[in-house]
Amino acid sequence: TQLLEQSPQFLSIQEGENLTVYCNSSSVFSSLQWYRQEPGEGPVLLVTVVTGGEVKKLKRLTFQFGDARKDSSLHITAAQPGDTGLYLCAGWINYQLIWGAGTKLIIKP
Amino acid sequence: KAGVTQTPRYLIKTRGQQVTLSCSPISGHRSVSWYQQTPGQGLQFLFEYFSETQRNKGNFPGRFSGRQFSNSRSEMNVSTLELGDSALYLCASSLSGGGIDTQYFGPGTRLTVL
Repeated sequence: TQLLEQSPQFLSIQEGENLTVYCNSSSVFSSLQWYRQEPGEGPVLLVTVVTGGEVKKLKRLTFQFGDARKDSSLHITAAQPGDTGLYLCAGWINYQLIWGAGTKLIIKP
Repeated sequence: KAGVTQTPRYLIKTRGQQVTLSCSPISGHRSVSWYQQTPGQGLQFLFEYFSETQRNKGNFPGRFSGRQFSNSRSEMNVSTLELGDSALYLCASSLSGGGIDTQYFGPGTRLTVL
């Protein structure tokens, strides 16, 4: 059983559409991070959210941390083919980084 | 500043053999963490080293071990390889580790066990 449930596992949409990826848990995290991983490379950190209810924006990407610090979401507005990749959420708990299973995102031109 | 480097990038071994993977962190980073990534289990934490000491360990059997040298370079060893050990092994370095600062990942070593 994954400590961090990430959904959907796979998403294929047209360029210009909006999408949301969810990361849920029954555990409380001291912080939660979102990464993006391209084939043949390691994950690259996109954002860290620390405070319950926190919202962070990175261009067309909006990240939200739940009030209880148990869940998070990633919303992409007007997706572009360059957004294609594997998106991973990960939470720090007891000094270990626990990972979601990942969302494979494909944006079709 | 050079990024995290891992060697080798690809490795093929047979069951029962042992393997050593190497990770060179970003200069000045003292924390090195290792992760296993598989299609079925995703990314799983193996262990973290800080100043040559293992500070944290994930839920992996004793066949998986590691060490860190005084220059912060780290090695990971897997003994008596099993088919299920086929995975992408990633290392990540950070200044202090423990979620305090950003982890930077290397490209990984793709291990195939036949």
